[in-house]
Amino acid sequence: RKEVEQDPGPFNVPEGATVAFNCTYSNSASQSFFWYRQDCRKEPKLLMSVYSSGNEDGRFTAQLNRASQYISLLIRDSKLSDSATYLCAVNLGGGGGADGLTFGKGTHLIIQP
Amino acid sequence: EAGVAQSPRYKIIEKRQSVAFWCNPISGHATLYWYQQILGQGPKLLIQFQNNGVVDDSQLPKDRFSAERLKGVDSTLKIQPAKLEDSAVYLCASSEQQGYTEAFFGQGTRLTVV
Repeated sequence: RKEVEQDPGPFNVPEGATVAFNCTYSNSASQSFFWYRQDCRKEPKLLMSVYSSGNEDGRFTAQLNRASQYISLLIRDSKLSDSATYLCAVNLGGGGGADGLTFGKGTHLIIQP
Repeated sequence: EAGVAQSPRYKIIEKRQSVAFWCNPISGHATLYWYQQILGQGPKLLIQFQNNGVVDDSQLPKDRFSAERLKGVDSTLKIQPAKLEDSAVYLCASSEQQGYTEAFFGQGTRLTVV
């Protein structure tokens, strides 16, 4: 089983719709969780950190389910500019200060006019 | 504030040749990471530095890859000799300190091995 798994999509969604996707992780010791956005041929940029209590930033809501070992991202009122690849990232919190991220393959989202 | 700088942006080499990438992190960022992103995949951590010390290099293919951050600022990643499967984007990221703070990525170096 892969450490971090995402549905690669593509998700084709009409503008204005709500879209949600999940990411599962295999290591129950994982300590922190993130969603990154990556545009074509660009570097990843942090979209949201995911907290145990869930968090919301404008049209974006992220949630964590530790019992089932998944995180989710919900985008409301989707815009054309939301078209991108969304990468799930998990920090295992290794010993000695190791805190590099383990990424999923990404979910490709296409917002259609 | 200047971001993470990487060079070159693109590099094409033949297999078995050597190549080096350079990264200048955001000023004051103590933690520096190198990631490899193969087309269609998420970034994969290669190595993490804290100042000039290696914190995690468990996924670095040490038979051909090496990295250093001698003065705790700039870093170089080297591949010697390169293989076809090394074709990827090599991303450098930095964060202010260890411990789940936001990591900022550079634009990456796109390596093609032919």
